Amino acid sequence: EAGVAQSPRYKIIEKRQSVAFWCNPISGHATLYWYQQILGQGPKLLIQFQNNGVVDDSQLPKDRFSAERLKGVDSTLKIQPAKLEDSAVYLCASSLEAMNTEAFFGQGTRLTVV
Amino acid sequence: AQSVTQLDSQVPVFEEAPVELRCNYSSSVSVYLFWYVQYPNQGLQLLLKYLSGSTLVESINGFEAEFNKSQTSFHLRKPSVHISDTAEYFCAVTNTGFQKLVFGTGTRLLVSP
Repeated sequence: EAGVAQSPRYKIIEKRQSVAFWCNPISGHATLYWYQQILGQGPKLLIQFQNNGVVDDSQLPKDRFSAERLKGVDSTLKIQPAKLEDSAVYLCASSLEAMNTEAFFGQGTRLTVV
Repeated sequence: AQSVTQLDSQVPVFEEAPVELRCNYSSSVSVYLFWYVQYPNQGLQLLLKYLSGSTLVESINGFEAEFNKSQTSFHLRKPSVHISDTAEYFCAVTNTGFQKLVFGTGTRLLVSP
């Protein structure tokens, strides 16, 4: 079974630029999550989708972050404009349903904002 | 809301020694608890989980954790560690309504020969 795919693996941008990350969950997984992991901290949930609907985006900085999951499969996370404090690893995860089943994580995208 | 505390940011041990990684949680409702492991340059992998039933849960590679409701703890233990256990370990909690999965800050386990 193929795992959660994320791209790119690494990205370096200047502050105030825009960036987008892509995630392809495991086939058949209805739930998709985006987490932000800042160095030295645990992952923080940014947004949770159930199919193509948003379940929780309470910690998503909506003035600069946006995410979509068209057709309930792939998802993109965008930051516009980026700030220095957005430097982190962005993790995508998916599960069959919600957290009563195991969430599988991708390798993440390491973003450096300079 | 739930929260997780991992007091030890780093735990150095020698190979074949026992280890305990501490995890305490806070919640006003019933919870499910997880341990995830992150090897260098890899994604998070589920190590073990407590959903219900026996309070002692085990992983396939020799780790175990015990859910202690009175002490609100879910400590991870292994009687004899191997070099390959070197990784970052994250404790996580969610409520039984399967809402947001909250992670601790992680504990880096460093196993040396």
